Amino acid sequence: EMHLVESGGGLVQPGRSLTLSCTASGFAFDNYAMHWVRQSPGKGLEWVSGISWNRDKVGYADSVKGRFTISRDNAKNALYLHMSSLRVEDTALYYCVKDGSAFPRIFEYWGQGTLVTASS
Amino acid sequence: DIQMTQSPSSLSASVGDRVTITCQASQDISNFLNWYQQKPGKAPKVLIYDAFILETGVPSRFSGGRSGTEFTLTISRLQPEDVATYYCQHYDNLPLSFGGGTKVEI
Repeated sequence: EMHLVESGGGLVQPGRSLTLSCTASGFAFDNYAMHWVRQSPGKGLEWVSGISWNRDKVGYADSVKGRFTISRDNAKNALYLHMSSLRVEDTALYYCVKDGSAFPRIFEYWGQGTLVTASS
Repeated sequence: DIQMTQSPSSLSASVGDRVTITCQASQDISNFLNWYQQKPGKAPKVLIYDAFILETGVPSRFSGGRSGTEFTLTISRLQPEDVATYYCQHYDNLPLSFGGGTKVEI
């Protein structure tokens, strides 16, 4: 059975940094693209960033470009999101998502999410 | 970047009604479009992929359509368990993006 477990969320002051982690199990992690998708309270879904199986394709939403960095460690079945210069508007539930393909295409399986609150 | 404009943002219909949600892409994305259903407090799940193909296990009352850059999700006979928010998502190229969502109520 597939599992995605996010960690690293919490309360952080605007301007500070935070790193989210996602540990995957139950599937061949190094065969699939992975993503971070966020949802602010009561709002819609926003794709944040995605990375292909071999790190060849990496992308970011304009709202986070230059501030967030996605990475993966296929040996550890882990996905990361380093978030810097955090803003109040980055407050959201951050989902780790498995793609159904090796390259960004479809959000096939979702974790339960980790909550990030940027507030002073 | 490709923008996805979804409408309506919310709708209320009766059980058994036919419901259609529209998603307009800002440029040609071929059939590179997926639809998701999100129920309150839950993570989204795939309903339709590649514009038309029903995900395994999804009831046949759901269907996807396309006319040019306009895509539709249709529920042929609305059921109480279909109360949810629905999102479209393109994957033509990076960055990926979602539509704004449509909240469906009974």
